[in-house]
Amino acid sequence: EVQLVESGGGLVQPGGSLRLSCAASGFTFSSYWLSWVRQAPGKGLEWVAKINEDGSDKYYVDSVKGRFIISRDNAKNSLYLQMNSLRAEDTAVYYCATIEYWGQGTLVTVSA
Amino acid sequence: SYELTQPPSVSVSPGQTARITCSGDALPKKFAYWYQQKSGQAPVLVIYEDSKRPSGIRERFSGSRSGTMATLTISGAQVEDEADYYCYSADSSGLWVFGGGTKLTVL
Repeated sequence: EVQLVESGGGLVQPGGSLRLSCAASGFTFSSYWLSWVRQAPGKGLEWVAKINEDGSDKYYVDSVKGRFIISRDNAKNSLYLQMNSLRAEDTAVYYCATIEYWGQGTLVTVSA
Repeated sequence: SYELTQPPSVSVSPGQTARITCSGDALPKKFAYWYQQKSGQAPVLVIYEDSKRPSGIRERFSGSRSGTMATLTISGAQVEDEADYYCYSADSSGLWVFGGGTKLTVL
């Protein structure tokens, strides 16, 4: 059974940092591009970042460039998102996803 | 920045055909994907590469693409199909984007 399990969300003050993790199982992790997708409360889906199979190519939506870093560890079947200089508008549920497989998400709340 | 445009809402009666459109300038060269999201749940892929259906997805879900528009069709929509639907594709530089989402009402 394919599983993607996100963790690391929580409440953080504006300007703070968080590191999200995603633990994968049930598929050949190292063969897939992976993305982080977020959804603000009551809003639509927003693609945030993606990384290729060996971690050598990374892409970001403009609103997070220079603040977020996507990375992966294929030996640990894990995906990460380092989020720095967080803003209120980064408040959302963050999903780890391939095209077909999605986790259940982890909530990040940026508030004073 | 690149945008995919969807209608905010579509409403049909049970058993009717629902069509949800997605328009974008790069669609003639990029595949479209469709996700279904029910309240409080993670999205589920219902169509990939314009018209392919993942295993486990009902046959009433189909997809097509023509020019700058992709279409998700639900033939004989059921009450259980009520959800938000999102198209997903890439721009010319390979960055991904979601459409704004369409709320499907079946009643």
